[in-house]
Amino acid sequence: GEDVEQSLFLSVREGDSSVINCTYTDSSSTYLYWYKQEPGAGLQLLTYIFSNMDMKQDQRLTVLLNKKDKHLSLRIADTQTGDSAIYFCAESISGGNTPLVFGKGTRLSVIA
Amino acid sequence: DGGITQSPKYLFRKEGQNVTLSCEQNLNHDAMYWYRQDPGQGLRLIYYSQIVNDFQKGDIAEGYSVSREKKESFPLTVTSAQKNPTAFYLCAARGTENEQYFGPGTRLTVT
Repeated sequence: GEDVEQSLFLSVREGDSSVINCTYTDSSSTYLYWYKQEPGAGLQLLTYIFSNMDMKQDQRLTVLLNKKDKHLSLRIADTQTGDSAIYFCAESISGGNTPLVFGKGTRLSVIA
Repeated sequence: DGGITQSPKYLFRKEGQNVTLSCEQNLNHDAMYWYRQDPGQGLRLIYYSQIVNDFQKGDIAEGYSVSREKKESFPLTVTSAQKNPTAFYLCAARGTENEQYFGPGTRLTVT
């Protein structure tokens, strides 16, 4: 069955890089996504990567995909206090008509 | 939040009353979703709809009902049969690469 796992908490100092990790089980994933949720708000789509890619960079965000190990990571460079939020990893199973499978989220705390 | 509106932002109801949460999108997407989020928890799928006049149960559909009469609208009714209705409810619509766009959420409190 499908499952997406993330560590629950991460704490970093302002200005450092943050790396949030995610593992998934379904090898037929087509796309993998990263979402950000600030307190009391909906989920904001940050970035996504197609499963035949191994890296995608978008400004301060770098997504790395290791398809062999079914491991996805999100690196945030020069982490700021405004990056404090919950980050969700999600996968889309091939076919596209099934709902996304979400991890439980990683709470990132940025210490000034 | 990508053209998805949810209203109201906060909703209070007495136990035993049904309540309907609104979700509207102007993205012209076919598929829409309802999730529930409890404090410190991830998302749990309640119902989804791939197309107008069609919907499927998610993982926690008991005590909820939906309708999809128009492409733009996917209202969720929380019935009195739902044992623990107090939660944060999120609506989403699916884009062309299966990405989902979320609304701002409705926080429902039932006392």
